[in-house]
Amino acid sequence: SQKIEQNSEALNIQEGKTATLTCNYTNYSPAYLQWYRQDPGRGPVFLLLIRENEKEKRKERLKVTFDTTLKQSLFHITASQPADSATYLCALEHPGGYNKLIFGAGTRLAVHP
Amino acid sequence: DARVTQTPRHKVTEMGQEVTMRCQPILGHNTVFWYRQTMMQGLELLAYFRNRAPLDDSGMPKDRFSAEMPDATLATLKIQPSEPRDSAVYFCASGLHIAGGPGNEQFFGPGTRLTVL
Repeated sequence: SQKIEQNSEALNIQEGKTATLTCNYTNYSPAYLQWYRQDPGRGPVFLLLIRENEKEKRKERLKVTFDTTLKQSLFHITASQPADSATYLCALEHPGGYNKLIFGAGTRLAVHP
Repeated sequence: DARVTQTPRHKVTEMGQEVTMRCQPILGHNTVFWYRQTMMQGLELLAYFRNRAPLDDSGMPKDRFSAEMPDATLATLKIQPSEPRDSAVYFCASGLHIAGGPGNEQFFGPGTRLTVL
């Protein structure tokens, strides 16, 4: 079965720096991959989707890459701000289709002023 | 603005009691998902519906969990009888699936925090 690995340890960075979060998966390569943000006590919020034929996707200060050879996605936040502090979840298409997703455990990001 | 709503937001109950959680998906969305989130297991898919029909509930303990969509504006998740190990946050999410198109985003509700004593 598909296994998704995200850094379990929190990532602490200084404001203004670029945060880079990693999502590694085993087994099959999904047709697409999504990133979500989750704040304490709230539901996940969709950020970006990247398809298998796309190498990179950008949205404002966010950038996602998808390397199907390495079976890895990287999520970058440039010029990070304390408001970016949250848990970021990687989600892969489930082989069953129908928009089913398998979520990683998430990486907690803390941006310090 | 359109959002997924869930009730109740918090529920404390005793082992053996029935628990019903409700979700109102975003109007016009044709897919509804139920997830459970715990520290140990993370976010797990329990069941999902397309156009109100159940497509997959393999993530759900069948003997005590049931999920239904009595109409397009209401999805329910029921646990009977509840057990302490069911303590978790339960999220409902909805999305619009377009045939032939991959991977549309899911919109999550605020969750129901369930504590079974």
